[in-house]
Amino acid sequence: DTAVSQTPKYLVTQMGNDKSIKCEQNLGHDTMYWYKQDSKKFLKIMFSYNNKELIINETVPNRFSPKSPDKAHLNLHINSLELGDSAVYFCASSPNQDRPQNLNEQFFGPGTRLTVL
Amino acid sequence: GQQLNQSPQSMFIQEGEDVSMNCTSSSIFNTWLWYKQDPGEGPVLLIALYKAGELTSNGRLTAQFGITRKDSFLNISASIPSDVGIYFCAGQSNTGNQFYFGTGTSLTVIP
Repeated sequence: DTAVSQTPKYLVTQMGNDKSIKCEQNLGHDTMYWYKQDSKKFLKIMFSYNNKELIINETVPNRFSPKSPDKAHLNLHINSLELGDSAVYFCASSPNQDRPQNLNEQFFGPGTRLTVL
Repeated sequence: GQQLNQSPQSMFIQEGEDVSMNCTSSSIFNTWLWYKQDPGEGPVLLIALYKAGELTSNGRLTAQFGITRKDSFLNISASIPSDVGIYFCAGQSNTGNQFYFGTGTSLTVIP
């Protein structure tokens, strides 16, 4: 009964390819996120998304696009992969911001290690 | 995006020693979270803080929400080898759902 799950765990692909990473949460949360963790372990927010708005970090290339088929899923699609896209990508979720503040917790998936050759 | 200042960047300690790390921000936050990340895994939530001055414990871990709402610290008492990992702080303001993360503290415990 994993709370936040991601697939695949590892993804190795050639430069120029298009790939997707899937994320699912069974916590009933309304907001989901994608983070990129680089080799220095910095966690960088890429997107946050709920059923009301998508917030995009302006430094994220438009080759990256989140796709949400429903509230429990937020997939990350990457076009024309580049060497610099190699990193670990984490999905996370949190309750609706309109709920009481003391429920503002964020839970992470296990990560997807992307290697672009 | 905003990055929180977390210190120290790394720590090497003997088993049994106490550990202290802190996180500072230029902005006021309403929520502070502390996470631990093991190699090859996602960050796991350790402690959540919601009120200025709040002091919360989780076993050997204690965290405090700074009075100014711009800082937080995490203490680990009587460290053990399984405490090894990277610890992250995260803060959230009341203006959105964004969580801003610290730069991480890498902890090594020497048996």
